[in-house]
Amino acid sequence: GAVVSQHPSWVICKSGTSVKIECRSLDFQATTMFWYRQFPKQSLMLMATSNEGSKATYEQGVEKDKFLINHASLTLSTLTVTSAHPEDSSFYICSARDFDTQYFGPGTRLTVL
Amino acid sequence: DQQVKQNSPSLSVQEGRISILNCDYTNSMFDYFLWYKKYPAEGPTFLISISSIKDKNEDGRFTVFLNKSAKHLSLHIVPSQPGDSAVYFCAASAGGQNFVFGPGTRLSVLP
Repeated sequence: GAVVSQHPSWVICKSGTSVKIECRSLDFQATTMFWYRQFPKQSLMLMATSNEGSKATYEQGVEKDKFLINHASLTLSTLTVTSAHPEDSSFYICSARDFDTQYFGPGTRLTVL
Repeated sequence: DQQVKQNSPSLSVQEGRISILNCDYTNSMFDYFLWYKKYPAEGPTFLISISSIKDKNEDGRFTVFLNKSAKHLSLHIVPSQPGDSAVYFCAASAGGQNFVFGPGTRLSVLP
């Protein structure tokens, strides 16, 4: 199947700093990518849909100024957590659609101290 | 309103037996369904898909059944192995639109 990568896989940062997470589709082009968040022992929560060349579509309750999404090319979307706080600590997962199937990245563990 | 439901949050099965994971949906326009498996601290891995024009799709130990009239699909794993212990998500899409995911079912395969 298609491969989606994320970088970094784990990041620890101080409160108030910004963190950028990259999501790449390695062997296919994706006009649409998705960003999810998962809290411990909970399901995946869709945060936003990232559209290449246009603004992201955010789910209700997700702060667009807090979670900046850029989809500058058909193979790269980035999520920047701005002014991170401990409550932003979570597991962030991206995915991209290739024809009829949505493929997920391995996830990024963010810990904000 | 949850369009895709997985009413069993968890399931325990003995190794070697069959695991049956269920998924119900409310949107009759859904025409394509996926199952994913997720280990802790990893992204979900695609397992198997089924289109609404079929009622069964099989891939090795995994079989997905679709009952359109009941708006129900199930994933059968046989024989179950300890390595199958994970959270399983079903997802549904209508006409190529974004997939809607269920809340997941945690499967534990006991040795």
